[in-house]
Amino acid sequence: RKEVEQDPGPFNVPEGATVAFNCTYSNSASQSFFWYRQDCRKEPKLLMSVYSSGNEDGRFTAQLNRASQYISLLIRDSKLSDSATYLCVVNNSSRDDKIIFGKGTRLHILP
Amino acid sequence: DGGITQSPKYLFRKEGQNVTLSCEQNLNHDAMYWYRQDPGQGLRLIYYSQIVNDFQKGDIAEGYSVSREKKESFPLTVTSAQKNPTAFYLCASSINRGNFNTEAFFGQGTRLTVV
Repeated sequence: RKEVEQDPGPFNVPEGATVAFNCTYSNSASQSFFWYRQDCRKEPKLLMSVYSSGNEDGRFTAQLNRASQYISLLIRDSKLSDSATYLCVVNNSSRDDKIIFGKGTRLHILP
Repeated sequence: DGGITQSPKYLFRKEGQNVTLSCEQNLNHDAMYWYRQDPGQGLRLIYYSQIVNDFQKGDIAEGYSVSREKKESFPLTVTSAQKNPTAFYLCASSINRGNFNTEAFFGQGTRLTVV
């Protein structure tokens, strides 16, 4: 099993729709989790951290399920500007201090 | 302003030459990382360092070398031994809080092309 796995997509979603991404991780001792956004030919930028209790930031909601070892990202009322690649990130600091990136899920919001 | 700076933004290298990519941060972060990204692909870890004068190989370290003589700096050398060096190189840093690292902050990247 890969350390961090995501559906590569692309997800083609009409503007205004709700879209959900899932990400699974293999190390049960992972300590911290994040979602990043990467635009074409740019560096990844932090979208939000993922907390055990779940967290929300405007149209974005992130959740963590430790028992099943997955994290999710929900985008409501999607905008054209949400088109990007979304990267799931897991910190395996309890073992080897590495920050592990998933390969990303491409999202295209259609007008 | 605090941040992480990579230079140059674009770099062209002849085959057989070594080249060094610069990464500097003034965020007082302990940990620094180098990733490589190929078109349409995810990030692959080359090297990382949690403290000064110490670094570890990532998943694709062959053909690369690094140093961490100062907390602020983590240069990456792409040697002639790297077979396919053309890629987008990203440097990142994070805070080491003992038993976990905080989120990573990235530089703007260096696009290396071998001609």
